Amino acid sequence: QKEVEQNSGPLSVPEGAIASLNCTYSDRGSQSFFWYRQYSGKSPELIMSIYSNGDKEDGRFTAQLNKASQYVSLLIRDSQPSDSATYLCAVMTGGFKTIFGAGTRLFVKA
Amino acid sequence: AAGVIQSPRHLIKEKRETATLKCYPIPRHDTVYWYQQGPGQDPQFLISFYEKMQSDKGSIPDRFSAQQFSDYHSELNMSSLELGDSALYFCASSYGVRFGGKTDTQYFGPGTRLTVL
Repeated sequence: QKEVEQNSGPLSVPEGAIASLNCTYSDRGSQSFFWYRQYSGKSPELIMSIYSNGDKEDGRFTAQLNKASQYVSLLIRDSQPSDSATYLCAVMTGGFKTIFGAGTRLFVKA
Repeated sequence: AAGVIQSPRHLIKEKRETATLKCYPIPRHDTVYWYQQGPGQDPQFLISFYEKMQSDKGSIPDRFSAQQFSDYHSELNMSSLELGDSALYFCASSYGVRFGGKTDTQYFGPGTRLTVL
């Protein structure tokens, strides 16, 4: 079992719809959680960071963290074709070691 | 705003050669991370440095070594290169610990694409 697991995708949604991305992690001691977006051949760029249980909203993006259930999710509202990318969930388990999930490919159809 | 700088951006080496990748973190960031990303794979954590000391180690081969210098830049040294070392190598930087002990966000550099022939 991977330490960080994501829906393998690809996930396809129409333009304007809500995209829902999920991530589970195995280390209960994990402290810091991040969502990154990565376009092919480019470096990961930060979408959201979340540290506490609950929701965190930033524009069209909402991250949700539930430490008891060991999952993190990302909702993208009003999805745009430019949101088409691979979304990576990253978890820091203590110290600076960072584990990434395999990523979910999102396609937003115009 | 200044970003993470990596050099070179592209590197081609032969098997068994050595390579050195450089990373210049965002000014005032004290933590550097190295990742390896193969085609179609997620970034694999290699190693991190906090305040010029090695902090955590991931799946870094013994053939690789790294260090962080007094000016906070970091170098990843790779020896006895193998075909399987061909990948994108990302460096990221952050403030090590802020605000109640939470590790701050990592910002990634553009990567170095290493090709081993």
